[in-house]
Amino acid sequence: AQKITQTQPGMFVQEKEAVTLDCTYDTSDPSYGLFWYKQPSSGEMIFLIYQGSYDQQNATEGRYSLNFQKARKSANLVISASQLGDSAMYFCAMREGYSSASKIIFGSGTRLSIRP
Amino acid sequence: NAGVTQTPKFQVLKTGQSMTLQCAQDMNHEYMSWYRQDPGMGLRLIHYSVGAGITDQGEVPNGYNVSRSTTEDFPLRLLSAAPSQTSVYFCASSSRGMNTEAFFGQGTRLTVV
Repeated sequence: AQKITQTQPGMFVQEKEAVTLDCTYDTSDPSYGLFWYKQPSSGEMIFLIYQGSYDQQNATEGRYSLNFQKARKSANLVISASQLGDSAMYFCAMREGYSSASKIIFGSGTRLSIRP
Repeated sequence: NAGVTQTPKFQVLKTGQSMTLQCAQDMNHEYMSWYRQDPGMGLRLIHYSVGAGITDQGEVPNGYNVSRSTTEDFPLRLLSAAPSQTSVYFCASSSRGMNTEAFFGQGTRLTVV
């Protein structure tokens, strides 16, 4: 069964520093996708970045990058040069299956707080 | 640019009452789902659907019913509300395929007293 684990309930980081949010996953399906979402205090869910299980390179989107280590089943989100606006909840999610519309499951999230 | 629309945004119910949370999307997405968000527990999948007429249970389906009669709509029904169902509910939709992200509604904050 698919499972997502985020072991950091909360993190504090100084502004302009880089931060890594941990995510490990479990699946028996060789085809899967990994996602990160941001949820600011206003409550909406914002998609940040995607990594496919067959992707050869780590995904990057602006200041966001995904440190994908397939053998360790980890997909950590790296935010470079953190900003005050990065303070939010961050969720890792996974979807199995290449061609089927399979379910998307989420981890328990990490609350990131950026200190000025 | 409606995307995923959830109604209502806030609701207070008494224990034992029933209600339906509405969710509609205008992106012609086959996949729709309902999650509940509780502090420290992330988003837990309640029910999901991969197309009209097809629904399946998620991680926490008890106490909730769904149906999918059209591609656009995926209502969530609480038949007899309990305080344990106090939560924030999110509806999401996406296209098929593992590389397609989910688009979320704004959420419904439900309180059962």
